[in-house]
Amino acid sequence: GQQVMQIPQYQHVQEGEDFTTYCNSSTTLSNIQWYKQRPGGHPVFLIQLVKSGEVKKQKRLTFQFGEAKKNSSLHITATQTTDVGTYFCAGLINAGNNRKLIWGLGTSLAVNP
Amino acid sequence: KAGVTQTPRYLIKTRGQQVTLSCSPISGHRSVSWYQQTPGQGLQFLFEYFSETQRNKGNFPGRFSGRQFSNSRSEMNVSTLELGDSALYLCASSLVLAGGHGELFFGEGSRLTVL
Repeated sequence: GQQVMQIPQYQHVQEGEDFTTYCNSSTTLSNIQWYKQRPGGHPVFLIQLVKSGEVKKQKRLTFQFGEAKKNSSLHITATQTTDVGTYFCAGLINAGNNRKLIWGLGTSLAVNP
Repeated sequence: KAGVTQTPRYLIKTRGQQVTLSCSPISGHRSVSWYQQTPGQGLQFLFEYFSETQRNKGNFPGRFSGRQFSNSRSEMNVSTLELGDSALYLCASSLVLAGGHGELFFGEGSRLTVL
């Protein structure tokens, strides 16, 4: 079935190290959104990517959408303890009568100070 | 403006009982989606309502149901509770159908414990 694989499931880094999480879809996506959920909190929207090959930056965060619109990545440069949380991708499949927002299982990031 | 409000925030039920959770979306938002979150399972989509109509449904048994009222407030109901229904239930609202050109705004969630 249609799914979005997100890897890795967990990542433990030292503060200052970089971090990347990847999402791969079996189906072409119309767009992809990224969310961050802090421990004990609720998911909060980070960004939406729509165009093939799109790259967007938010301070230390870089988001990419693949040329085939089947994969995406979130890269954090020089992690800080405030980056701790679980990062989710959510891809929209919108083809004919098939419209679904498919979520990755998330990548949990732990940062050692 | 006020965010997404979910009630109750915490509740404890026993097996076999039923539960109703409520979600008040951001004013003006017409879409309300419901998710079940358990450790290691990410966000499992339950259903989405838009203008009082169910637009999408996840792979959950019929014990899980929902509805949306004319003021966009939504409720979800779980009947004949099972231990495995213990989870954080998250509601998300958006201006347009989820995944469209607009973000989802999540509530704080309702944490259900089934004993």
